[in-house]
Amino acid sequence: QQQVKQSPQSLIVQKGGISIINCAYENTAFDYFPWYQQFPGKGPALLIAIRPDVSEKKEGRFTISFNKSAKQFSLHIMDSQPGDSATYFCAASARGSARQLTFGSGTQLTVLP
Amino acid sequence: DGGITQSPKYLFRKEGQNVTLSCEQNLNHDAMYWYRQDPGQGLRLIYYSQIVNDFQKGDIAEGYSVSREKKESFPLTVTSAQKNPTAFYLCASQPRDRDSPLHFGNGTRLTVT
Repeated sequence: QQQVKQSPQSLIVQKGGISIINCAYENTAFDYFPWYQQFPGKGPALLIAIRPDVSEKKEGRFTISFNKSAKQFSLHIMDSQPGDSATYFCAASARGSARQLTFGSGTQLTVLP
Repeated sequence: DGGITQSPKYLFRKEGQNVTLSCEQNLNHDAMYWYRQDPGQGLRLIYYSQIVNDFQKGDIAEGYSVSREKKESFPLTVTSAQKNPTAFYLCASQPRDRDSPLHFGNGTRLTVT
């Protein structure tokens, strides 16, 4: 119930291409879906987040698409750049006193120059 | 600059020894968290604390202990009971508003031989 499944585990994209990372969840109580970006040797940092009342959220080259009925959400990186090479984690949490995040297993993105 | 400081960045210990990882924040955040990161497994919650002198177990608390004597500090002790302690440990904090993002430190890589 608490698991968030993320795919693919690794992704290689050419510069200028579109990177797509997918996540699926089971817990229907989840109502907050952030994506975190992590560079080697650093802690993760919030990239973009969405709530289930909208189907899409865009911030610059980064877009989250959300499908509530399928319980899936995805991150799209348009015009991928070598500087986007990092590990990306999806996460989810449910409204409650602690609002603990459940993280996906991560996707290592490499953007080739 | 406000942020989370984890020290040391690299830590080496012999099997059977307890080791304490430091986490200090000057963001005035109420909640603090410890995550463990292993390749291909994402971030797993070890312990969290929402207020001083109070903390709760996360998903993988066995073999770990914490204290929260000050709002700014949330040290993690990896005990000899932890069967597989070698990992990357991340500390995070969050304001009282649970819809705010987690702020992560840059982690401590612990190697136990």
